[in-house]
Amino acid sequence: SQQGEEDPQALSIQEGENATMNCSYKTSINNLQWYRQNSGRGLVHLILIRSNEREKHSGRLRVTLDTSKKSSSLLITASRAADTASYFCATANNYGGATNKLIFGTGTLLAVQP
Amino acid sequence: DTAVSQTPKYLVTQMGNDKSIKCEQNLGHDTMYWYKQDSKKFLKIMFSYNNKELIINETVPNRFSPKSPDKAHLNLHINSLELGDSAVYFCASSQAAQAYGYTFGSGTRLTVV
Repeated sequence: SQQGEEDPQALSIQEGENATMNCSYKTSINNLQWYRQNSGRGLVHLILIRSNEREKHSGRLRVTLDTSKKSSSLLITASRAADTASYFCATANNYGGATNKLIFGTGTLLAVQP
Repeated sequence: DTAVSQTPKYLVTQMGNDKSIKCEQNLGHDTMYWYKQDSKKFLKIMFSYNNKELIINETVPNRFSPKSPDKAHLNLHINSLELGDSAVYFCASSQAAQAYGYTFGSGTRLTVV
């Protein structure tokens, strides 16, 4: 079963607005990652937040992590039409030794209208 | 270009056939993965290899057999293809000992008719 549930499943906004996507997960994690997938393409790693971190920024992206609630959010500020894509959260758990097993959420489809 | 490259990009085949998908990474990563993405975009891990050793096998049917000749390559062979195998298969790699993200290939869209 999927580790993460994302909310909303789909989001449509106007260019320039902010987009917020939420992710909830079930088990303890080493880190949580966000990925973007453009239609018909592979996934691109956006940002990683460790379990002992609460907030992280990268350009127009802001990620928060609340391990007590087992939830994370991704905020994209000043959105652009090029941000239109599916966004996935993924949780990394130990799988023996140093290996992290990455389990993906259900994804949020973001449409940014020009 | 440094990347994860997988071939072919598209694969259309009949039920019962055997097919292979190849994956290569030139990033120097020690761990490689195969993921399956279904029509609802759910991504599910299938296999993971670390330095040519199988470390994750997620209850995938025996018809699927990964092979890693060296740590830069992880191929996926599928026997007796079924309609339900139709999906997009993604190869990925990472440096397992460090908490970095995965680098994904562009995917292989498999259609079984």
